[in-house]
Amino acid sequence: TQLLEQSPQFLSIQEGENLTVYCNSSSVFSSLQWYRQEPGEGPVLLVTVVTGGEVKKLKRLTFQFGDARKDSSLHITAAQPGDTGLYLCAGGNYGGSQGNLIFGKGTKLSVKP
Amino acid sequence: NAGVMQNPRHLVRRRGQEARLRCSPMKGHSHVYWYRQLPEEGLKFMVYLQKENIIDESGMPKERFSAEFPKEGPSILRIQQVVRGDSAAYFCASSTNRGRIYEQYFGPGTRLTVT
Repeated sequence: TQLLEQSPQFLSIQEGENLTVYCNSSSVFSSLQWYRQEPGEGPVLLVTVVTGGEVKKLKRLTFQFGDARKDSSLHITAAQPGDTGLYLCAGGNYGGSQGNLIFGKGTKLSVKP
Repeated sequence: NAGVMQNPRHLVRRRGQEARLRCSPMKGHSHVYWYRQLPEEGLKFMVYLQKENIIDESGMPKERFSAEFPKEGPSILRIQQVVRGDSAAYFCASSTNRGRIYEQYFGPGTRLTVT
């Protein structure tokens, strides 16, 4: 059974600080996606990474896929209160009848002004 | 709004009743996935469908749960004889086949409460 472990589970920081969230597995994934979820809403796709070692930037957010495609990280620079939310990583393996995503339990981020 | 639509957003059922959850995928998307999110747990895959076909139902309980994605109309997740343990948020996602990557876009979810 493939699992994704996210750390830390909770993170509370001040506005302006930097942070990194980790997503680790012992399994290889075809792709790794990051989502952000607000209370009472569905996850919103932030990025998809598919190549080992790939780095993608989305404004103040930097996403990296591990060389072996087993882990990923999300780094936020100069966090703002609007970054508050639940960050989820999800791994996918595609081919044949597979298409489902394996989700981590998430990192709950709180950015205080 | 071309996003994934789900209805109802909130559904209350008594034990033993049936629950029907609907999902309309994004325009142009032909793959639909259903996930369940329990309090303090991550999203768990239930079923993957394409039009008129169930591709993978490995995450769906064998009894009381069924799903369909007809040629016309929304995808339906049906839960018969609901029990309290079925109370959860149910999310639908959709994707299109872009090469080998199936980027999934989620709807707002249906919060099912069984009383």
